[in-house]
Amino acid sequence: GENVEQHPSTLSVQEGDSAVIKCTYSDSASNYFPWYKQELGKRPQLIIDIRSNVGEKKDQRIAVTLNKTAKHFSLHITETQPEDSAVYFCAARGNTGNQFYFGTGTSLTVIP
Amino acid sequence: NAGVTQTPKFRVLKTGQSMTLLCAQDMNHEYMYWYRQDPGMGLRLIHYSVGEGTTAKGEVPDGYNVSRLKKQNFLLGLESAAPSQTSVYFCASGQGDSYEQYFGPGTRLTVT
Repeated sequence: GENVEQHPSTLSVQEGDSAVIKCTYSDSASNYFPWYKQELGKRPQLIIDIRSNVGEKKDQRIAVTLNKTAKHFSLHITETQPEDSAVYFCAARGNTGNQFYFGTGTSLTVIP
Repeated sequence: NAGVTQTPKFRVLKTGQSMTLLCAQDMNHEYMYWYRQDPGMGLRLIHYSVGEGTTAKGEVPDGYNVSRLKKQNFLLGLESAAPSQTSVYFCASGQGDSYEQYFGPGTRLTVT
């Protein structure tokens, strides 16, 4: 099956700086890559996603890039704010049965 | 629209006891999933369903059974609970063509 690795596991940035979280995947047939934000005690919430036929997608301060050749994708958050502090998960959708494989998460802290 | 709901929110079991977790969705989604979330391990897929009356194994199916007798409900059963099943369980649903998953609020299960 698919294997998704996520780095770093923790990340601290000053308010206003950028944050970058990276994920790699193993199955070249994976075709959809969502990013979730999870606040303490809450459910994961989709913040942005990208399909395998697109290289980059942006939504206000958040962007995701995908390099299919290298099998990695990244989340970029610009002008970080304290409310961006949370755990972020990447995931990859396998090519059969609509299964999703998640990274182990990145705990982001934005320091005011 | 309630979205995805889970029952119960919290539960404490003794080793060897059984229980059923209920997931319900009112979005007419075809796909439903059960995940477990453990510290430092992200979300791992237990079982999933691609439609009423169908179920399939995910990454970590041992010790769990599922049923999808109605399209809107997906049940997760533990026949003989073990301390290793202490976790937070999330249900999710989605529509195949959009790929996006919607998560329930989670069930915190402790097995003593």
